[in-house]
Amino acid sequence: DTGVSQDPRHKITKRGQNVTFRCDPISEHNRLYWYRQTLGQGPEFLTYFQNEAQLEKSRLLSDRFSAERPKGSFSTLEIQRTEQGDSAMYLCASRRTGPNEKLFFGSGTQLSVL
Amino acid sequence: GNSVTQMEGPVTLSEEAFLTINCTYTATGYPSLFWYVQYPGEGLQLLLKATKADDKGSNKGFEATYRKETTSFHLEKGSVQVSDSAVYFCALSEAWFGNEKLTFGTGTRLTIIP
Repeated sequence: DTGVSQDPRHKITKRGQNVTFRCDPISEHNRLYWYRQTLGQGPEFLTYFQNEAQLEKSRLLSDRFSAERPKGSFSTLEIQRTEQGDSAMYLCASRRTGPNEKLFFGSGTQLSVL
Repeated sequence: GNSVTQMEGPVTLSEEAFLTINCTYTATGYPSLFWYVQYPGEGLQLLLKATKADDKGSNKGFEATYRKETTSFHLEKGSVQVSDSAVYFCALSEAWFGNEKLTFGTGTRLTIIP
C-alpha cells in the first residue's frame, strides 16, 4: 500500500514541549496539505505545499507552528511550546496538480497535550 | 468567508432504510462540492463530488446534486447497509483548479443497525 503515511499515530506531550510530525505523501504527488481536526469538528485547513514551496498558510497557523517540505517529498509539522488547545488530530493529504486529481488523506497523528 | 452547515448527528438507521444527510453551504463564488467519508480507523476518503450547478455526483449507491438555487448538496442513498456506518463530511473548495483548500462541515456520524 503506497498511501499517505503519517508518523507517529499518537503523540502525548506535556504543555510547553515541542513536537514534530512527519508526513510521507504518495510518490509523485507534488501537492501536500496539512489539516487539523478537533473532536466533533470537521478538518480545518492549515497549510499546503507545491513541491517544496509553501503556497498558503491559514491564520490558524500561529507563530508556534511551522511546516516544511525541504525536498518536495516528505513534510514535517512542528509545534513549539505546545498548549492544551493544540490537542487535535493532524491530517496530511496529497495529490497531483490538476483539476480532476483526487486528494488522498493519511490516517492522521493524534496529539494530546497534558 | 466560506462555510458548510451539515445536518447534526448522530444518525441511526435500520439496514435498507433510505438515507438523507443535509448539507448547505455559503461561498462567494462558484465552489466545487464534495462528500468525504471516514470509516472507523481509516483516513478520509472522497465519496463523490460535483463541480458545477445541477451536476450529480454518485458513488457506491450514494448520490448528491449540486443545487445552486438552494445552496445545497444533500447526500442520499436508497438502501443503506451496515458497511455504510461511518462519519460523513460535506466540503467545498473555491480554488480555480478545484480541490485546493477544503472547507468542511462538522461531520455526521451514521450508524446502521442490522
